[in-house]
Amino acid sequence: GAVVSQHPSWVICKSGTSVKIECRSLDFQATTMFWYRQFPKQSLMLMATSNEGSKATYEQGVEKDKFLINHASLTLSTLTVTSAHPEDSSFYICSARDGGRGDTEAFFGQGTRLTVV
Amino acid sequence: QKEVEQNSGPLSVPEGAIASLNCTYSDRGSQSFFWYRQYSGKSPELIMFIYSNGDKEDGRFTAQLNKASQYVSLLIRDSQPSDSATYLCAVRGGSYDKVIFGPGTSLSVIP
Repeated sequence: GAVVSQHPSWVICKSGTSVKIECRSLDFQATTMFWYRQFPKQSLMLMATSNEGSKATYEQGVEKDKFLINHASLTLSTLTVTSAHPEDSSFYICSARDGGRGDTEAFFGQGTRLTVV
Repeated sequence: QKEVEQNSGPLSVPEGAIASLNCTYSDRGSQSFFWYRQYSGKSPELIMFIYSNGDKEDGRFTAQLNKASQYVSLLIRDSQPSDSATYLCAVRGGSYDKVIFGPGTSLSVIP
């Protein structure tokens, strides 16, 4: 099956610093990647959709200058949380769709638990 | 109106019983429907997807889709304690290439 690897699985950072999270599709080309955020006991909230080689499409209420998304290749997308604050602490999850398989499900990475202190 | 709705639960069923999870969605143009299972602290894992009206069976799981009623359900037969988790309904819209998740239903299977 398709494998999506997300790194790191957890990170602790100080307020005001930036954190980069990587999402890689290991055995397929991901034409589209999605970034979600999940607060405790809540569902996944879509933050943005990124297509390889183009700018990400952000959901309403998500600050594009704070959450920088880069999808430079068909196997890698990155999310950078800039000037992190404690309220950014959350579980961030990426998912990727295999463009070569047509209309299929997206596969999830393992998630990254971010704690800002 | 929320785009994807589910009963939050918790839903409790005895071991061996059938668990029934329901989901409704608002976008009539939605094309694809997914059920994910999520254990606490873990990423969601796909259980089933369904595109056409009717039933789709995979082992102990059956997904049911009714586009006219904008309703999708998941039945879990012979429920096991290991099925205890949060079940997320997800819908891929017709106009936009994105998947929207419902709030999830917490299922507890009692031994």
